[in-house]
Amino acid sequence: QVQLLESGPGLVKPSETLSLTCTVSGGSISPYYWSWIRQPPGKGLEYIGYVHYSGSTNYNPSLVRRVTISVDTSKNHFSLKLTSVTAADTAVYYCARARTGTDIDYWGQGTLVTVSS
Amino acid sequence: QVVLTQSPSASASLGASVQLTCTLSSGHYNYAIAWHQQQPDKGPRYLMKLNSDGSHTKGDGIPDRFSGSSSGTARYLTISSLQSEDEADYYCQTWDSYWVFGGGTKLTVL
Repeated sequence: QVQLLESGPGLVKPSETLSLTCTVSGGSISPYYWSWIRQPPGKGLEYIGYVHYSGSTNYNPSLVRRVTISVDTSKNHFSLKLTSVTAADTAVYYCARARTGTDIDYWGQGTLVTVSS
Repeated sequence: QVVLTQSPSASASLGASVQLTCTLSSGHYNYAIAWHQQQPDKGPRYLMKLNSDGSHTKGDGIPDRFSGSSSGTARYLTISSLQSEDEADYYCQTWDSYWVFGGGTKLTVL
């Protein structure tokens, strides 16, 4: 059974960079797609982007200028960096897997990141 | 870019059946979607991939009570024999130049 676990700071200051890592256990990074989705408090899901195990990426156009998603196959994990954060970036951040570049089939439990000084 | 529309809320009685709808924007009648369930204070869980012809592939451990169907630009999730643990938010997801989520439907089990 594939398990995904998000890790990283729960509090980030405005204008700084949010960095999260998702560690994959119970399965390999290849040949899948690995994604980040977020959910602001009380709101719906928002796609951030994904990385293929080969390193190719796809990002939400509304976030593309601030987002980088990368994968480290040797460590079986992938990462999210979101720059110049504001209070609007406060959300639960989920990592997830897709077998192809389409439907998500496994989700992490999520981690709350608050942007505040 | 495709847009997904869901009703904000739905309700049905314990033991009954309910059908939730996800509507694709005009012209996107051949798009597949995925359904995800999010129980209160939990992360989402994958339910199924639903194709435009109504065929669907469910995730690991998803009960037979959950099924999907399609008609035109509408994609349906039917839950039969409703149980209390089915009270949750249900999201549809699709893919175009990037991934898109519907706004979610909050299902209340009466």
